[in-house]
Amino acid sequence: QKEVEQNSGPLSVPEGAIASLNCTYSDRGSQSFFWYRQYSGKSPELIMSIYSNGDKEDGRFTAQLNKASQYVSLLIRDSQPSDSATYLCASPYGGATNKLIFGTGTLLAVQP
Amino acid sequence: DAGVTQSPTHLIKTRGQQVTLRCSPKSGHDTVSWYQQALGQGPQFIFQYYEEEERQRGNFPDRFSGHQFPNYSSELNVNALLLGDSALYLCASSPLRSRTSTDTQYFGPGTRLTVL
Repeated sequence: QKEVEQNSGPLSVPEGAIASLNCTYSDRGSQSFFWYRQYSGKSPELIMSIYSNGDKEDGRFTAQLNKASQYVSLLIRDSQPSDSATYLCASPYGGATNKLIFGTGTLLAVQP
Repeated sequence: DAGVTQSPTHLIKTRGQQVTLRCSPKSGHDTVSWYQQALGQGPQFIFQYYEEEERQRGNFPDRFSGHQFPNYSSELNVNALLLGDSALYLCASSPLRSRTSTDTQYFGPGTRLTVL
């Protein structure tokens, strides 16, 4: 069973701090990873995608991938109350496919 | 540029009934995937359509079926509804080039189905 696992949280951080969201996966063949943000009652919105080992930065967001450890993370710098949402980690099942396997999501709460 | 659209936004049905949900993909996209998201869970893959055929299927019973039309829009049908089918149903679209590569999927706003 190929799985993507996340801590459900909630992760509470003060405004302006760095939020660190983590995800592990079981399929060593996984080549790409996606982070989606989902506000309560809304649909997932793509935040970042990462395909190679290392860091990828986009504004206040940095995705980190470590394929040897089967670990992917999302860092949010200068966290704002508007960042409060559930963050979903996802990876395609079985390589060249668009069947995404999602984690259960981590609820982030940024305290003003 | 219109994004992914879904209808209806909310739906209430009773056990045993049938329901049809609709999705129009983002402009330039021809592949549609459907996901079910129960409360507190991540989305679960139901199936995927392109070229008007079901190409991949997740671990869902035959009560869940679908269709894709020549204009790439899609329908999800669920027969003999159960209480456990209550969830947010998400449609995601992706472009033609994603045949042999993994490309970004863009989600629609979802349909909230409540089964009483």
